[in-house]
Amino acid sequence: NAGVTQTPKFQVLKTGQSMTLQCAQDMNHNSMYWYRQDPGMGLRLIYYSASEGTTDKGEVPNGYNVSRLNKREFSLRLESAAPSQTSVYFCASSEDWASGYNEQFFGPGTRLTVL
Amino acid sequence: AQRVTQPEKLLSVFKGAPVELKCNYSYSGSPELFWYVQYSRQRLQLLLRHISRESIKGFTADLNKGETSFHLKKPFAQEEDSAMYYCALPPLRDDKIIFGKGTRLHILP
Repeated sequence: NAGVTQTPKFQVLKTGQSMTLQCAQDMNHNSMYWYRQDPGMGLRLIYYSASEGTTDKGEVPNGYNVSRLNKREFSLRLESAAPSQTSVYFCASSEDWASGYNEQFFGPGTRLTVL
Repeated sequence: AQRVTQPEKLLSVFKGAPVELKCNYSYSGSPELFWYVQYSRQRLQLLLRHISRESIKGFTADLNKGETSFHLKKPFAQEEDSAMYYCALPPLRDDKIIFGKGTRLHILP
């Protein structure tokens, strides 16, 4: 099993450009998450999807949109990139949102730079 | 409201010395707490969880409800312990998982 995979690994954008970060998991997990990681700020939740067909805002959703394409895939879109979105983005999945006792499995991350 | 506090951004410890990474929480009810670790250029992974009461890579963490703490400890630091450590509080029903801001552990030779 590949676990959680993310593409691309690195990306450089100019201000105003758009892009989509892809995430897929092969563990048959119900819940998926997008985080950003910034120095001194730790991990901040952008959006999450408790199950296929549902998405909800996290702590820092502004400037982002998500799509839960199917149970396996959860994409994050930046419609008009800004320098403040320079960050490392992590996708994660877990078996069940509501149980509260499940480990989150993380992808390798996407390092995004917005010039 | 649920909250996780890691008061130290950076902790430098000499090899062979004891390590304690602090984590305090705010939670109404009986919490289930985790420690995640991120080694350089690697993905985050679960290090240990409170409920399993196991020791992973020599690390242990005890839940202290009186002090609302879940500190991560290791008696003798090793160079390979250098990493970023996050304390995490899983969701309660509709709440969101809460990660602390992380502590970077630097083991000095």
